[in-house]
Amino acid sequence: GENVEQHPSTLSVQEGDSAVIKCTYSDSASNYFPWYKQELGKGPQLIIDIRSNVGEKKDQRIAVTLNKTAKHFSLHITETQPEDSAVYFCAASKVTYKYIFGTGTRLKVLA
Amino acid sequence: NAGVTQTPKFRILKIGQSMTLQCTQDMNHNYMYWYRQDPGMGLKLIYYSVGAGITDKGEVPNGYNVSRSTTEDFPLRLELAAPSQTSVYFCASSYPTGTTTDTQYFGPGTRLTVL
Repeated sequence: GENVEQHPSTLSVQEGDSAVIKCTYSDSASNYFPWYKQELGKGPQLIIDIRSNVGEKKDQRIAVTLNKTAKHFSLHITETQPEDSAVYFCAASKVTYKYIFGTGTRLKVLA
Repeated sequence: NAGVTQTPKFRILKIGQSMTLQCTQDMNHNYMYWYRQDPGMGLKLIYYSVGAGITDKGEVPNGYNVSRSTTEDFPLRLELAAPSQTSVYFCASSYPTGTTTDTQYFGPGTRLTVL
């Protein structure tokens, strides 16, 4: 069946360093790839997304890259700050009502 | 806009009890969703609705029911609570933009424990 693999499950970085989280999807028809940040006790918040007609997208310190041939996409956070500490989820979708989520990455930014 | 709101934030149920998780959105979104999130797992879709009066099953619908009488509200009903339903429940909504996929916006969640 359709699935999304997300790695690593936990990631610790020093403040100021970069963090990279990778996801691989199985359904080649997927065309939308959002990334969510979930802080403790809160709901997932969209931080960036990319569609299949684009290879890369940036928003300040956050970027997402997409490799359709390899069916993987990655979240890049530069100059990490303590407030970046959270759980990050990737998802892949080909229709609005069906997101396939990864299992999450717990990012810890060490001061 | 308050976005997507959910009540209650926390609830403890005994096995066999029933309850309704409330979800309301004020963004005039047509599509609404219910997910559950278990520890170390991604979100699993329980039910979704593409508009008032229209609902459909997601990946894990057993033990749950939904209704959608208005655009704003999408309650989730647990009829006979079981320990396997202990989870965090998230409601989400999205607005169809004419593309095949649209961004989903999530509420703060309801943490449910069944003992």
